[in-house]
Amino acid sequence: NAGVMQNPRHLVRRRGQEARLRCSPMKGHSHVYWYRQLPEEGLKFMVYLQKENIIDESGMPKERFSAEFPKEGPSILRIQQVVRGDSAAYFCASSPGDSYEQYFGPGTRLTVT
Amino acid sequence: EDQVTQSPEALRLQEGESSSLNCSYTVSGLRGLFWYRQDPGKGPEFLFTLYSAGEEKEKERLKATLTKKESFLHITAPKPEDSATYLCAVQARNTGKLIFGQGTTLQVKP
Repeated sequence: NAGVMQNPRHLVRRRGQEARLRCSPMKGHSHVYWYRQLPEEGLKFMVYLQKENIIDESGMPKERFSAEFPKEGPSILRIQQVVRGDSAAYFCASSPGDSYEQYFGPGTRLTVT
Repeated sequence: EDQVTQSPEALRLQEGESSSLNCSYTVSGLRGLFWYRQDPGKGPEFLFTLYSAGEEKEKERLKATLTKKESFLHITAPKPEDSATYLCAVQARNTGKLIFGQGTTLQVKP
């Protein structure tokens, strides 16, 4: 029974490049959440998606960040023109509904050089 | 504004020395309070969900309790393998997002 899968586990990008982070939810889960953990800070909510819908993007930076969860395939968090301040661990979580516990993936650690 | 505060930030215990971690919260209508464990370099691992004041849940050496303002995670006779960061989060009604505290980093020495 596979858990939440994220890839890549580690990603290095130069300033100005694009970063694409992928998340495959647990089997049977149709709700996906993205969180960011900056160094020495707690987990911060970014966006909540269901298939083909963004439900809540109140935690997403206004520029350069976007997320999608297509009908087929994984959820994608896209960061355009990365800056050093984007260096962080990005975690994806999934649940079968919005009032259930969320199960987290292992994270993608983004380093911007 | 929904907020979660955890204390202490760090806790060192000797093996077998029981203690409690605190999670104070303010939220506009609580749907659930969640406890997670996070090991270095890994994603948070789900431990418990509590929904209403007075509720308690147990798992091995861990017991979580909930009041209207705070939650406690009691650790009885801890072992070195219990060393980790313990995260508390709240979820408000009509929202899916979790609001996390900063965490308590527990170190249990043999």
